[in-house]
Amino acid sequence: EAEVAQSPRYKITEKSQAVAFWCDPISGHATLYWYRQILGQGPELLVQFQDESVVDDSQLPKDRFSAERLKGVDSTLKIQPAELGDSAMYLCASSPVGNNEQFFGPGTRLTVL
Amino acid sequence: ELKVEQNPLFLSMQEGKNYTIYCNYSTTSDRLYWYRQDPGKSLESLFVLLSNGAVKQEGRLMASLDTKARLSTLHITAAVHDLSATYFCAVGAGSYQLTFGKGTKLSVIP
Repeated sequence: EAEVAQSPRYKITEKSQAVAFWCDPISGHATLYWYRQILGQGPELLVQFQDESVVDDSQLPKDRFSAERLKGVDSTLKIQPAELGDSAMYLCASSPVGNNEQFFGPGTRLTVL
Repeated sequence: ELKVEQNPLFLSMQEGKNYTIYCNYSTTSDRLYWYRQDPGKSLESLFVLLSNGAVKQEGRLMASLDTKARLSTLHITAAVHDLSATYFCAVGAGSYQLTFGKGTKLSVIP
């Protein structure tokens, strides 16, 4: 069964360091989403891609976060520099064109010390 | 701005009992999703509700959607311990985005 892949699964870093997360969506899914989920809350959208184009990055803290999906397939989310408040689960999801239903990857648990 | 409210946020129930989780949302939408999340894990899709009056059932869980009332319910019948998890509703918005509620943490006690 096709799944969304993410790596790493866990990341511990010190504040002011740079971190990067990778996501490979389900094959053929044109839309890719990055979410941040703080413990005890629901996921919040950071950025949405349609193929290689950004559809919405209004909630992405652009002073420290960046996201790219250069070839319209896999995607990378970067944080530089990391802050203590960035500790969270970072989830990647994908969906086929014209469909709201999103399929989530296993997530990356980030801890910033 | 679309707001999604779930209640209760915490639910402790005994095995064998029935209960309902409510999901209210603030603007018109006819697409609603229920997800389950186990501790430290990702989100698993449970139900997709795409029209007014839609009802879906899987095992001991049944979800329904009333778009006129902007309300969805997730009903649990004869709860078992394996249902312990956090349940999220998510409402479809523009550009194929989802807005999530804060989740309902369910604990089923033997």
